[in-house]
Amino acid sequence: EAAVTQSPRNKVTVTGGNVTLSCRQTNSHNYMYWYRQDTGHGLRLIHYSYGAGNLQIGDVPDGYKATRTTQEDFFLLLELASPSQTSLYFCASSDVGSSYEQYFGPGTRLTVL
Amino acid sequence: QQNVQQSPESLIVPEGARTSLNCTFSDSASQYFWWYRQHSGKAPKALMSIFSNGEKEEGRFTIHLNKASLHFSLHIRDSQPSDSALYLCAVASSGSWQLIFGSGTQLTVMP
Repeated sequence: EAAVTQSPRNKVTVTGGNVTLSCRQTNSHNYMYWYRQDTGHGLRLIHYSYGAGNLQIGDVPDGYKATRTTQEDFFLLLELASPSQTSLYFCASSDVGSSYEQYFGPGTRLTVL
Repeated sequence: QQNVQQSPESLIVPEGARTSLNCTFSDSASQYFWWYRQHSGKAPKALMSIFSNGEKEEGRFTIHLNKASLHFSLHIRDSQPSDSALYLCAVASSGSWQLIFGSGTQLTVMP
């Protein structure tokens, strides 16, 4: 089964702080995704990438940057964190020709005070 | 822009009941249709998918897809307390690697 790991698992920061969330997948998948999950909104796509150096804008990108440094590693950056970014963040990966199935990491709970 | 809606928002059923969850979508060119299950505090995990009209059964779970009515559903036969979870439907549109998720149905199966 596909393996996706995330770090940290929990993070508390203050308004205006800088935060980097990390994601690694070890299954050579081409696509990686960052989502946020909030009650009543399901999973909302922030950014995604189809390979090292590539970045695509998702549906809720404001206030977020992302970078795909290698095929395995995808980072989400919050440079001026705001309380509205308090959420549960999931990373996922998928492969070409896999019927779009996405494999999710365990999530990072971010709290912005 | 694809719009995916789920109903009901929450559902409580007794153990052994047949449960039905619904999902509607707006893009008639959509190609793949997924159900994901997310237990409390855990990551979403793919449950099953369908890409052509009709039904697909895997154990106690059945997906039914009707593209003309822009609707698909998940049916759970003999619901178990371990089925209690958030169920998310997701749709993939033609030419895009994105999955658009619904907001979820919280299912509780009472012993």
